[in-house]
Amino acid sequence: YEVTQPPTMSVAPGQTTRIPCGGDNIEVKSVNWYQQRPGQAPILIISNDSDRPSGVPDRFSGSNSGNTATLTISRVEAGDEADYFCQLWDPGSDHVIFGGGTKLTVL
Amino acid sequence: QVQLVESGGGVVQPGRSLRLSCAASTVTLTSFALSWVRQAPGRGLEWVATVSGDGKNKYYTDSVKGRFTVSRDNSDTTVNLQMNGLRPEDTAVYYCAKVKAGRRFTPFDSWGQGTLVSVSS
Repeated sequence: YEVTQPPTMSVAPGQTTRIPCGGDNIEVKSVNWYQQRPGQAPILIISNDSDRPSGVPDRFSGSNSGNTATLTISRVEAGDEADYFCQLWDPGSDHVIFGGGTKLTVL
Repeated sequence: QVQLVESGGGVVQPGRSLRLSCAASTVTLTSFALSWVRQAPGRGLEWVATVSGDGKNKYYTDSVKGRFTVSRDNSDTTVNLQMNGLRPEDTAVYYCAKVKAGRRFTPFDSWGQGTLVSVSS
């Protein structure tokens, strides 16, 4: 099973951006999202498609429908500049799958 | 949040072995599934292996199967990744990550800071 993400995206501060994670009928899978700032370990920001762990700002939200899972960041801030990775478990192979990551630039 | 600390990284020649360890500084790792994830320089995240909470089940990405072994120690305070037959393409930062309680594979709700493995002659 493979998932695809755009390598790069850019957004102006204060705007909303939507980062896609595409996969065949991905809506039946549980998708997680991670943020990785330069030089740091990843952190979980969305689990189970749309659950936000404690401490994650409500500007971050997730959805999953059809062939695309989406991470939405509202009211983007300079500190949101980071790499974002989607992740899921493929029960067919018992493998954990990561998307290639999207580098978000805040203009 | 659980604090995870990796150790054991370093520079090694192709074909040699290295053993990575992951310890939790605040709680024991009992009953949590643990995973190893690597990130080659300038690249994305790649899942490497997962060991179940009871240590009985182990899962590997295809490129390391037969070369890497994940295990938990008897006291359940450390999870190890024994890496044999290392190749240059194994060069990466290796992260230890804890699977959320009650889940088998994902999500990873705690991560270590990573340890660098460099395979070069």
